[in-house]
Amino acid sequence: DGGITQSPKYLFRKEGQNVTLSCEQNLNHDAMYWYRQDPGQGLRLIYYSQIVNDFQKGDIAEGYSVSREKKESFPLTVTSAQKNPTAFYLCASSSAGALSSYNEQFFGPGTRLTVL
Amino acid sequence: GNSVTQMEGPVTLSEEAFLTINCTYTATGYPSLFWYVQYPGEGLQLLLKATKADDKGSNKGFEATYRKETTSFHLEKGSVQVSDSAVYFCALSMDSNYQLIWGAGTKLIIKP
Repeated sequence: DGGITQSPKYLFRKEGQNVTLSCEQNLNHDAMYWYRQDPGQGLRLIYYSQIVNDFQKGDIAEGYSVSREKKESFPLTVTSAQKNPTAFYLCASSSAGALSSYNEQFFGPGTRLTVL
Repeated sequence: GNSVTQMEGPVTLSEEAFLTINCTYTATGYPSLFWYVQYPGEGLQLLLKATKADDKGSNKGFEATYRKETTSFHLEKGSVQVSDSAVYFCALSMDSNYQLIWGAGTKLIIKP
């Protein structure tokens, strides 16, 4: 079955440590996204990538980094520079182009990061 | 710029009540409109969508009609169940942009 996987589901980190969240999709989608969700709040875009080896900053990119070396994979690194990293992180993907499903995004199950 | 405004939650209803969650948008052009649902501790799932004016999206008893004249895409369900308790997000996209513009989300609580 096609879909998006994120791992791990729960992640604990000590202050000052970098941590990488995994996101893999087998939907053959060109575009991938990372969102942050805080309790009781909506989604905020961290980074997105429309094509391999290219990505753009979203609204809250400071303290985060990404790579897009393969179409299927879009890992997110939460660096020690992120001052308040405890949150729920969601990865999504979508098809490219105006003839696709009107930019419908498909989501993974999320990773809950807690800084101890 | 483009934006989406949803009614604030939480919305608390009794089982079998009628549901409306309001969503209005501002967009330069003709967006596609979406409703997503997020169950506790999970990712988001697409609930329904509409791609042009007067289209009606429907799924699992939920409906929403794309109203260009009122720039709205209100979510409705005739008889809610406890299992409908979740957070509902309204969103729009423009064909020229891969990004979705999100509303803040509305938490729905259904009491038995």
